[in-house]
Amino acid sequence: DIQMTQSPSTLSASVGDRVTVTCRASQSISSWLAWYQQKPGEAPNLLIYKSSTLERGVPSRFSGTGSGTEFTLTISGLQPEDYATYYCQQYDAIPVTFGQGTRVEIK
Amino acid sequence: EVQLVESGGGLVQPGGSLKLSCEATGFALSSYSMNWVRQAPGKGLEWVAYLGSRGSSTIFYRDSVKGRFAVSRDTAKNSLYLAMNSLRDEDTGVYYCARGVSDGIPPDQFDYWGQGTLVTVSS
Repeated sequence: DIQMTQSPSTLSASVGDRVTVTCRASQSISSWLAWYQQKPGEAPNLLIYKSSTLERGVPSRFSGTGSGTEFTLTISGLQPEDYATYYCQQYDAIPVTFGQGTRVEIK
Repeated sequence: EVQLVESGGGLVQPGGSLKLSCEATGFALSSYSMNWVRQAPGKGLEWVAYLGSRGSSTIFYRDSVKGRFAVSRDTAKNSLYLAMNSLRDEDTGVYYCARGVSDGIPPDQFDYWGQGTLVTVSS
């Protein structure tokens, strides 16, 4: 199975900050990577797919980059509604696998 | 509007069985691939099963549930199912159904998710 490793596990940031989350794959996954946001008690919400394509309706402060084994999710100007847990997901191979999550907390 | 609504979760003893349902509205299940994804309490997301738009000819499971879980659908009811047998403590969690964007293999990104249904395996 392809292992997905996110860093950091927890991130403390203030409103307005630029936040970056990293996701590393144990082998190359080309650009077959998605990012999700999950708030407590809610289902995950798709933010970005194919590494850098923004899902419709997602604010432009979210962006994604990377290919191969290293990927980043950036939030440019953190908003109060962005405090949540973020997961990366590879879909290059079965089984589809997720990172362990990065919790973005209020500083 | 696309909606997915899961049901059927509950408390079951180890070794027991449960069948989850996911009713879809706003789109036809026969046109999309569908997945089950679970989340143990306080943990991350784990993909469980995939059913392609062509139905039973394209099904995949994670290794830990092979031979115990079975995914199916009823196109007349526009519903997806997950029959779970020989349940173990480690199967405990919230189970989500999630729609795949395309019908590709492997499953791709999941654009719509249900609210989830909680399965608790405990004696």
